[in-house]
Amino acid sequence: DTGVSQDPRHKITKRGQNVTFRCDPISEHNRLYWYRQTLGQGPEFLTYFQNEAQLEKSRLLSDRFSAERPKGSFSTLEIQRTEQGDSAMYLCASSLNSGGALYTQYFGPGTRLTVL
Amino acid sequence: AQSVSQHNHHVILSEAASLELGCNYSYGGTVNLFWYVQYPGQHLQLLLKYFSGDPLVKGIKGFEAEFIKSKFSFNLRKPSVQWSDTAEYFCAALKGGSARQLTFGSGTQLTVLP
Repeated sequence: DTGVSQDPRHKITKRGQNVTFRCDPISEHNRLYWYRQTLGQGPEFLTYFQNEAQLEKSRLLSDRFSAERPKGSFSTLEIQRTEQGDSAMYLCASSLNSGGALYTQYFGPGTRLTVL
Repeated sequence: AQSVSQHNHHVILSEAASLELGCNYSYGGTVNLFWYVQYPGQHLQLLLKYFSGDPLVKGIKGFEAEFIKSKFSFNLRKPSVQWSDTAEYFCAALKGGSARQLTFGSGTQLTVLP
């Protein structure tokens, strides 16, 4: 099953350190999304790519956060100078760019970040 | 801003009981609606979706949901739950047109007692 994969699955870091997460979407999907989920809440949208272009960014994505998708395949999400409030599950999703499948997002297992 | 509300935070049922989980959305225009499920230790999986047409949609594992436009609701139902349905259920909405971000509810934890 070649679903959405994310790496690492867990990351523990100290406050002030930088962290980077990777997402590999389903191979034929050209849309890629990042969400953040905190305990007891549903996922919240962070940003979205179509191919390599970053087309939408949430106001939740402060200037310490940056996301890239350089070749339109995998994506990275970097958090600089991490804060304890960044502790959350970071989810990646992907979707096709055609027909009804355009609106159906498939999620990866997430990266759980703990900032000490 | 668009929002999705799930009023039941935790539901406990016995096996074979019927299930209905509430979901209401705030956006008044064209909207696509989804239910996702997250089993313990697993990632979010799509349960069912509504784009247009028949307001009663059927999903996997015997689940169904009914879109009622006048009530801005998309409630999830299952006539007879099983212990294996224990999971967290999320309702989500996608505004029609150019918007791409899913807006999720806060989730409902379903516990089915054997």
